[in-house]
Amino acid sequence: SAVISQKPSRDICQRGTSLTIQCQVDSQVTMMFWYRQQPGQSLTLIATANQGSEATYESGFVIDKFPISRPNLTFSTLTVSNMSPEDSSIYLCSGGGKNYGYTFGSGTRLTVV
Amino acid sequence: GENVEQHPSTLSVQEGDSAVIKCTYSDSASNYFPWYKQELGKRPQLIIDIRSNVGEKKDQRIAVTLNKTAKHFSLHITETQPEDSAVYFCAATLNRDDKIIFGKGTRLHILP
Repeated sequence: SAVISQKPSRDICQRGTSLTIQCQVDSQVTMMFWYRQQPGQSLTLIATANQGSEATYESGFVIDKFPISRPNLTFSTLTVSNMSPEDSSIYLCSGGGKNYGYTFGSGTRLTVV
Repeated sequence: GENVEQHPSTLSVQEGDSAVIKCTYSDSASNYFPWYKQELGKRPQLIIDIRSNVGEKKDQRIAVTLNKTAKHFSLHITETQPEDSAVYFCAATLNRDDKIIFGKGTRLHILP
């Protein structure tokens, strides 16, 4: 299975600012996804990061708020824009494929003050 | 859209006993079903998965069964140990876009 490095691991940000989270995979993967996880809850899919094209967003998530890039098969970024306290959460990237499984990055714990 | 239901939300079993977690999915096109274990403060770890062309898969103390007709799948952990205490998530993917949809999780407590 792929190994995913995610950074930053945590950050405390002022409201109204933006934070970009990066994920680097140690091998080429078919799919990459971004999730949000509130403490004690399940993982909510934000979007599918598509290589070389616009991401596919789930209901309730929009590109202006969560712009995503995926310039190649091993790297993706998620930006949380114009942050408010409601954006405080853990953000996780995932990568892989059905033939070899999906793994997760270590997560980014975001606190907006 | 795809929906994955998971039960129970909390499960306590005596060390050495078996634990069973059950999930149902809504979309008959789902064809890949991974299970993840998440310890406190850690990332989810893939522990076992099963594809729709297989009815059962086993890896040491962990097994997963799939009933495509009923659209449900289960995780079985035998001879439970203290280190099995964690939150377990089932998930399902669709053939058309490969995105993974998660159940709400089961918090498993192994009692001494």
